[in-house]
Amino acid sequence: DIQMTQSPSTLSASVGDRVTITCRASQAIGAWLAWHQQKPGKAPKFLIYKASILQSGVPSRFSGSGSGTEFTLTISSLQPDDFATYYCQHQDGVFGQGTRLEIK
Amino acid sequence: EVQLVESGGGLVKPGGSLRLSCVASGFTFRNAYMTWVRQAPGRGLEWVGRIRSRADGGAADSAAPLNGRFTVSRDDSESTLYLQMNNLKTEDTALYYCSGAFSWGQGTPVTVSS
Repeated sequence: DIQMTQSPSTLSASVGDRVTITCRASQAIGAWLAWHQQKPGKAPKFLIYKASILQSGVPSRFSGSGSGTEFTLTISSLQPDDFATYYCQHQDGVFGQGTRLEIK
Repeated sequence: EVQLVESGGGLVKPGGSLRLSCVASGFTFRNAYMTWVRQAPGRGLEWVGRIRSRADGGAADSAAPLNGRFTVSRDDSESTLYLQMNNLKTEDTALYYCSGAFSWGQGTPVTVSS
């Protein structure tokens, strides 16, 4: 079975910082990767699918890249609304364990 | 606007069964792969199962650790996704979400307790 591993588990950053979260698949998955954002007490929100395609309405400061086994989610300039937990997902399949992005 | 509305959650005793539903609107349901995801209190997202579109064969898969206790199905005529959960265990306590068409529902809570 495919496993997804995210790093780091927790990331401390400040408003305006550029941050990157990494997701590794245990075997090649092409570009079949999604990223989701979840805030406490809320349902997750789709950010990116097929590794790099922004879901409608998602700010352009979010970007995704990668293929095969290594993927990244980058936020170019952190905004206060971005502090949340981020999950990668083998699209329609298993999730990474999550990365909590907290205010430094 | 895509909408996914889950229902059917509740309190059930260990060994019991529940069927969750997810009614979809705002997109062509029959063409979509649909997924169930759960989140135990204070934990991360856990993939439960998925069903392909009928055009792609309509097969359903569920997470191996569930040992066949959970079954995903769909009724395209009603734009509804189902999750049949049997032999429930206390560790199945979670908020259950449906997901598809790049959207998420709000979840339905399931509590397994005696």
